[in-house]
Amino acid sequence: KQEVTQIPAALSVPEGENLVLNCSFTDSAIYNLQWFRQDPGKGLTSLLLIQSSQREQTSGRLNASLDKSSGRSTLYIAASQPGDSATYLCAVFGTDKLIFGTGTRLQVFP
Amino acid sequence: GAGVSQTPSNKVTEKGKYVELRCDPISGHTALYWYRQSLGQGPEFLIYFQGTGAADDSGLPNDRFFAVRPEGSVSTLKIQRTERGDSAVYLCASSSSGRGNIQYFGAGTRLSVL
Repeated sequence: KQEVTQIPAALSVPEGENLVLNCSFTDSAIYNLQWFRQDPGKGLTSLLLIQSSQREQTSGRLNASLDKSSGRSTLYIAASQPGDSATYLCAVFGTDKLIFGTGTRLQVFP
Repeated sequence: GAGVSQTPSNKVTEKGKYVELRCDPISGHTALYWYRQSLGQGPEFLIYFQGTGAADDSGLPNDRFFAVRPEGSVSTLKIQRTERGDSAVYLCASSSSGRGNIQYFGAGTRLSVL
């Protein structure tokens, strides 16, 4: 059974820091991996999708890497801003559904 | 519509009552998913539709939960004899064809069972 773990569970940093959020999964037979952002009381916004054949994806200040063989992904956030404060969720797509981690709650203070 | 729409945004009900939660996916999306998110947890899969049929309902916790998508667009999640443990945010997502395409999520329905 696929299990997804995210570390750390919570993170509080001053504005301007570069951050790394970690995601690990137990079954490497995945179709892709997605990173989502969730704001309080809101739905999920897809940030990056990495296909199983890819190593990384970039969007603006965000970079996500995937090492399928070791069951790991990292989300790198450059020059963090208070507007980045949210919960970040990692999810792997197996046969026909997403399996989510429990998320990293990020707070960036001015 | 522009995005996935879920109604109501909040639903408060009493233990034992029946509730229906509605999801209106992005126009043209054939794949529709329901997830449930408890406080402090990631979303958990409930059911997946491809068109009108349920392709995978392995996440439904028991037979009190049922979902339909009769015309391949709007879907309704139905919960009978609600229990306090059913309290959660129910999220709906759609994608253009399933199978690993980006899923677009609605804002969710927060269900509270008193």
